[in-house]
Amino acid sequence: DQQVKQNSPSLSVQEGRISILNCDYTNSMFDYFLWYKKYPAEGPTFLISISSIKDKNEDGRFTVFLNKSAKHLSLHIVPSQPGDSAVYFCAANRDLGDMRFGAGTRLTVKP
Amino acid sequence: NAGVTQTPKFQVLKTGQSMTLQCAQDMNHEYMSWYRQDPGMGLRLIHYSVGAGITDQGEVPNGYNVSRSTTEDFPLRLLSAAPSQTSVYFCASRPTGGGYTEAFFGQGTRLTVV
Repeated sequence: DQQVKQNSPSLSVQEGRISILNCDYTNSMFDYFLWYKKYPAEGPTFLISISSIKDKNEDGRFTVFLNKSAKHLSLHIVPSQPGDSAVYFCAANRDLGDMRFGAGTRLTVKP
Repeated sequence: NAGVTQTPKFQVLKTGQSMTLQCAQDMNHEYMSWYRQDPGMGLRLIHYSVGAGITDQGEVPNGYNVSRSTTEDFPLRLLSAAPSQTSVYFCASRPTGGGYTEAFFGQGTRLTVV
């Protein structure tokens, strides 16, 4: 039972444009959400997070939006750069609970 | 700072063999976990631990054992390797005490079972 879902396996955007990656979750007990970035042959690295008491968190070019009623979050990257090309994982957890991940979305930013 | 260190980086096993994947962290994190990454499946939780002497099962625990005798180490044991356990394994750690923190990952162990 996949509690965190990323339904788009891949996304391709032009350099300078916006990248929007989506994530849905089913467990209403999740109250903290994270995005990780992963390059080939490396471990995932933390990118940005959001608590369930917020609906938006911004860090430079990266913004995460949370819609609790829809159980949906999204990651916006503006402007997209070729170095952003990677696999992006959405994750969710509860306080002291185990962290669950989505299947990932492979982002390709074309120069 | 070494962070989370996994050994080995690559391993080939024959079906039925056993082995231990090592994971060590030097950040004094209470929480540690093991994930496997498979194409189209993302990262799936195998086992996790909220502190020394405490472990619990994740989504896909069958065929794996863990123990946590120290804060620093969290080894993952494959009891009798099967081809279905061919995967990339990641160990992660994070601090607790508040709960809302990111996890730090190791570089991964690529395991092939033939």
